[in-house]
Amino acid sequence: EVQLVESGGGLVQPGGSLRLSCAASEFTFSNYWMAWVRQAPGKGLEWVANINQDGSATAYVGSVKGRFTISRDNAKESLYLQMNSLRDEDTGFYYCARDRGWNYLDWWGQGTLVTVS
Amino acid sequence: QSALTQPASVSGSPGQSITISCTGTSSDVGGYNYVSWYQQHPGKAPKVMMYEVYNRPSGVSNRFSGSKSGNTASLTISGLQAEDEADYYCSSYRSSTNTHVFGTGTKVTVL
Repeated sequence: EVQLVESGGGLVQPGGSLRLSCAASEFTFSNYWMAWVRQAPGKGLEWVANINQDGSATAYVGSVKGRFTISRDNAKESLYLQMNSLRDEDTGFYYCARDRGWNYLDWWGQGTLVTVS
Repeated sequence: QSALTQPASVSGSPGQSITISCTGTSSDVGGYNYVSWYQQHPGKAPKVMMYEVYNRPSGVSNRFSGSKSGNTASLTISGLQAEDEADYYCSSYRSSTNTHVFGTGTKVTVL
């Protein structure tokens, strides 16, 4: 079964930086788009960013453009989210998900909590 | 960016059918069949329940069905069961921003 395990969350001050990682297993990582989705405490889901198979194409929600960078290392079967200039409103659970190419997200990790305070 | 519009809550008794709507625009729901639905139980990760409007992933009960008319997509749960109590989110590709967008979410309560 597909496994996605996020790490790197924690407490950070406003203006600070954090790098999230997502370790993938039990599927051919390099064949799939990948995405990050976040959820503020008690709120709904918000798509954050996605990346294509070789990392040559990325897209971001407007509120994180210029501050967040999605990347991947296919040799390490890992997805990353570099988050800079963090704001209070970036607080929430961050989920890594396998993206069926702009279509749907078919496998999700359990999430990692980012608290900006 | 603006979320797709869903009712905040829908409820039904066991065995009944309920329908959750998801309203967008011609740039997202109405323009593409890339509409998907996700179920999220408290403290858990979301799980895809429907994709490309009406396709069920393997393992999802056939009590779940999807449809779309114009700019509104719908998820119907038939034969409502206690385990269906959860939050449900729709999602679509949005061409105007080249992003995914989620709905506002609907809390389903089994009475």
